[in-house]
Amino acid sequence: EVQLVESGGGLVQPGGSLRLSCAASGFSLSDHYMDWVRQAPGKGLEWVARSRNKAQSYTTEHAVSVQGRFTISRDDSQNSLYLQMNSLETEDTAVYYCARGFCTSGTCYSGDSWGQGTLVTVSS
Amino acid sequence: IQLTQSPSSLSASVGDRVTITCRASQGISSHLAWFQQKPGKAPKLLIYAASTLQSGVPSRFSGSGSGTDFTLTIRSLQPEDFATYYCQHLNSYPLTFGGGTKVEIK
Repeated sequence: EVQLVESGGGLVQPGGSLRLSCAASGFSLSDHYMDWVRQAPGKGLEWVARSRNKAQSYTTEHAVSVQGRFTISRDDSQNSLYLQMNSLETEDTAVYYCARGFCTSGTCYSGDSWGQGTLVTVSS
Repeated sequence: IQLTQSPSSLSASVGDRVTITCRASQGISSHLAWFQQKPGKAPKLLIYAASTLQSGVPSRFSGSGSGTDFTLTIRSLQPEDFATYYCQHLNSYPLTFGGGTKVEIK
């Protein structure tokens, strides 16, 4: 069974840092693109970052809103995905989800499996 | 690329046919997915490649469109379908979601 479990959320002051983790099981992480998606309280979904699979050399993409502050990474030996978040702002307050991607006909889609999410609150 | 969903909310009854639209600010071929999200839960993938039903999703859900205009149709609304629906494009980076459509009980 595919399972994704996020951890590492919590309360942090503006300007602070946090590292989110996503533990994957039931599949080989190296075969899949992986995304982080967030949702601010009462708001819609926002794509945050993508890590491509081993075949695509683990290259990454980040949303403009987090570029230079957040970094997606992974450790396939630990079957884990990470999101290092620096210089946090109050606008980064959200539930953060990791999502597994899949590729078909040359396009790689998000989210055939999702974690339960972890809440990050940025406040003084 | 901006995605505009309409309506932002709708009220419908069990058994109704419901249509949600998603318009892209530029052409995205068929690189579009639809998600369903219930309160306090993670999103669930319904459709990808604009019209391909994800495994395990009931056949009352269908998607259509290409280029800039897309639709999600629920053929006969069931009680478990009351939720918020989002489109997402996968055409280029950054990936973006539409603003969501909340389907409520009439």
